[in-house]
Amino acid sequence: DAKTTQPNSMESNEEEPVHLPCNHSTISGTDYIHWYRQLPSQGPEYVIHGLTSNVNNRMASLAIAEDRKSSTLILHRATLRDAAVYYCILNIYNQGGKLIFGQGTELSVKP
Amino acid sequence: DAGVTQSPTHLIKTRGQQVTLRCSPKSGHDTVSWYQQALGQGPQFIFQYYEEEERQRGNFPDRFSGHQFPNYSSELNVNALLLGDSALYLCASSSLTTSGWGTDTQYFGPGTRLTVL
Repeated sequence: DAKTTQPNSMESNEEEPVHLPCNHSTISGTDYIHWYRQLPSQGPEYVIHGLTSNVNNRMASLAIAEDRKSSTLILHRATLRDAAVYYCILNIYNQGGKLIFGQGTELSVKP
Repeated sequence: DAGVTQSPTHLIKTRGQQVTLRCSPKSGHDTVSWYQQALGQGPQFIFQYYEEEERQRGNFPDRFSGHQFPNYSSELNVNALLLGDSALYLCASSSLTTSGWGTDTQYFGPGTRLTVL
């Protein structure tokens, strides 16, 4: 199964930008990069996804390296509510819907 | 619009028993996936149902089985429960019909916490 590598934990200050890195060196040309987050005591929540180009939505931005072997989730202004475990996942084209979660990055946000 | 709902929220069973967990997908969704999340770990994919058939399966034994009904709701059955089956069981729904492979967004329910004693 396709593998992603993320730091175990990161810290941020409230209202500052956060850059969450992810390495996925085994990605193939048709695999989508998805990010989900899981708040305490909740199910995972979709954040953003992309294929090649950088993507923006109301929650975050996704910056994808030119060779697609890494990506960065950007939270522009972290809030206390953004404290969660963030998962970077490859959605394999011919295995649509099978999300392979790693350990994720636990983000803590300090006031 | 109700999101993904799961029942029950909590369940306590003893080793060797059988359990059935239920999931209702988000309105308009046709695909249901099940995940097991042990404490402190990321969710692990169990299987996925689409058009009432199992499309994908993760590395789980045959003790784990499922079903999808014509209204797209789904059940997860686990037989001969082991202590190691204690976990949060998550259901996620998506629409492969409209989103297609790779781009489908999964919506997760709050999970069922199963404790095996």
